[in-house]
Amino acid sequence: KAGVTQTPRYLIKTRGQQVTLSCSPISGHRSVSWYQQTPGQGLQFLFEYFSETQRNKGNFPGRFSGRQFSNSRSEMNVSTLELGDSALYLCASSPGPAGDYTFGSGTRLTVV
Amino acid sequence: AQSVSQHNHHVILSEAASLELGCNYSYGGTVNLFWYVQYPGQHLQLLLKYFSGDPLVKGIKGFEAEFIKSKFSFNLRKPSVQWSDTAEYFCAVNALGNNDMRFGAGTRLTVKP
Repeated sequence: KAGVTQTPRYLIKTRGQQVTLSCSPISGHRSVSWYQQTPGQGLQFLFEYFSETQRNKGNFPGRFSGRQFSNSRSEMNVSTLELGDSALYLCASSPGPAGDYTFGSGTRLTVV
Repeated sequence: AQSVSQHNHHVILSEAASLELGCNYSYGGTVNLFWYVQYPGQHLQLLLKYFSGDPLVKGIKGFEAEFIKSKFSFNLRKPSVQWSDTAEYFCAVNALGNNDMRFGAGTRLTVKP
């Protein structure tokens, strides 16, 4: 079966711009979570959506937002980009609340 | 929120050596526990998971982990590592019924042939 698909794979943006990343979960998975991965901070939890509702949110500023659509696809948005937002953004999907995640390959965002 | 601590930042072993990677978590309630692996250039993959029952969990590729509730630990073990086990290993925990999963900082394992 198809895995978790993230688009685009790579992105270069300028400081101050905004960006939208997309995630298509495994068919039938209703929970989608987003993580930021950097060499210095490791994997940091951004937020989790289940049935179009944000259930959990990590400790990130309001510039980071997300949403989930009725087909479980999810997007995350980062506004007013900063150099420190450069990272690999990972999406993971799960069939339910047990956290049995399957991860996508990620979107590597570079802010210049 | 729960937190996870992995004791070793970088472990270097020779092939056939035994492996144990430490993981401790901080959370007072019931948890689900996971180990994920990230091979060079690949995405995170689930190695094994513990939800309930037998505290000794067996995963893929000969890995196992033991949940010791009294020590809040979930250490990963493998009796004999191979060069192909070179990767970064992440311990993760979430509270029962909650997908707010937190990861440890990761342990980089290098296996010398």
